[in-house]
Amino acid sequence: QVQLQESGPRLVKPSETLSLKCSVSGDSIIGGYYWGWIRQPPGKGLEWIGNIHQSGNTDYNPSLKSRVTISFDMSKNHYSLNLSSVTAADTAFYYCARVFRRGYRFGSFDPWGQGTLVTVSS
Amino acid sequence: EVVLTQSPATLSLSPGERATLSCRASQSVTNYLTWYQQKPGQAPRLLIYSASNRATGIPARFTGSGSGTDFTLTISSLEPEDFALYYCQQHSNGLTFGGGSRVEIK
Repeated sequence: QVQLQESGPRLVKPSETLSLKCSVSGDSIIGGYYWGWIRQPPGKGLEWIGNIHQSGNTDYNPSLKSRVTISFDMSKNHYSLNLSSVTAADTAFYYCARVFRRGYRFGSFDPWGQGTLVTVSS
Repeated sequence: EVVLTQSPATLSLSPGERATLSCRASQSVTNYLTWYQQKPGQAPRLLIYSASNRATGIPARFTGSGSGTDFTLTISSLEPEDFALYYCQQHSNGLTFGGGSRVEIK
């Protein structure tokens, strides 16, 4: 059974870079799936951040594209999110998730990690 | 960007009643529409994919329907564990989520 787990600093200062890792167990991240990041400000709705594939293909939300980088560490079976120049508006629960169907660039997400709250504050 | 509008924002019902949630897209998304359920403190859970296909383990009381721009999630008879937030998501053109609908106990 595939499981995902987010990790990284819970507090980031304004203007700095938010960095999170998604560790995957029960499956290889080079198994042909796309893997994504989604966030949710406390009490608000969901926002897609971006997806990545083992081929190196990435897709980003146009509203965040200038600040987002998603990358793989295949040797350690995890992938990462970097979001630069953060502000208080980037305070959110950050989730990693796998695209449901193998090979689909976009799609439903399943499974999801449990999420981690990252707060942007000085 | 495809905008998804969910209605109502909040639905107040009693256990055993039928819930009908709507998701309307600003342009056609064919059947590239997903429904999730989210409970407090938890990640979203996949309920319905491709507009009408129940995910593994999802009870038959959950039904998704629609195509193009208008979609519906129906819960035929609410169980206590169904009171939660529900989100729709499209992946026809990029990937966007609706604002969510809350089903609360009346």
